[in-house]
Amino acid sequence: DSGVTQTPKHLITATGQRVTLRCSPRSGDLSVYWYQQSLDQGLQFLIQYYNGEERAKGNILERFSAQQFPDLHSELNLSSLELGDSALYFCASSAGLAAPYEQYFGPGTRLTVT
Amino acid sequence: AQSVTQPDIHITVSEGASLELRCNYSYGATPYLFWYVQSPGQGLQLLLKYFSGDTLVQGIKGFEAEFKRSQSSFNLRKPSVHWSDAAEYFCAVGAMEYGNKLVFGAGTILRVKS
Repeated sequence: DSGVTQTPKHLITATGQRVTLRCSPRSGDLSVYWYQQSLDQGLQFLIQYYNGEERAKGNILERFSAQQFPDLHSELNLSSLELGDSALYFCASSAGLAAPYEQYFGPGTRLTVT
Repeated sequence: AQSVTQPDIHITVSEGASLELRCNYSYGATPYLFWYVQSPGQGLQLLLKYFSGDTLVQGIKGFEAEFKRSQSSFNLRKPSVHWSDAAEYFCAVGAMEYGNKLVFGAGTILRVKS
């Protein structure tokens, strides 16, 4: 158990819908990262937040957005869902800028868009 | 741009045999290097990391990896594989110049035959 929690574990929804994925980082970690894992693209970095502020952005679609709240949990919002958005979405956390790359991953949320 | 190559998509080894999973990276300076393992339906677990210093690093579950600067490689090894090691293994690279994200290889699926 990495200490990173993600809910829900599974999500099935229809095209055009909007969903919210939730992540709670390890206790004391200030950075939260979101990754998408799909069969064709592999593991891709989406976005990072550090202590409530956006820190880095990857290949995140405009239909996707994220935020980190004062209690440091983070949410990833996916809207106007398409079939191709079906993937496993991981959240990871790290202590912050001192050791930014040692990231601990949650169990993931499997999103299925039908 | 940063890239990580895991040349073997699948590897099959017999239980008790030794294992080596290959990882090559493309980056000008010495990056931060990681190996993660993903069991079916699970999240990513950090096996080991290399930041600097001794080029042979020890990780959990009896794994080790060796950083070879001249070959831009960070291969994962285990002297005797157990059936429970069957999983997918990912090499990842982080570098400050490319932000805080991790760049992952495509993964190597390890099968263990008894």
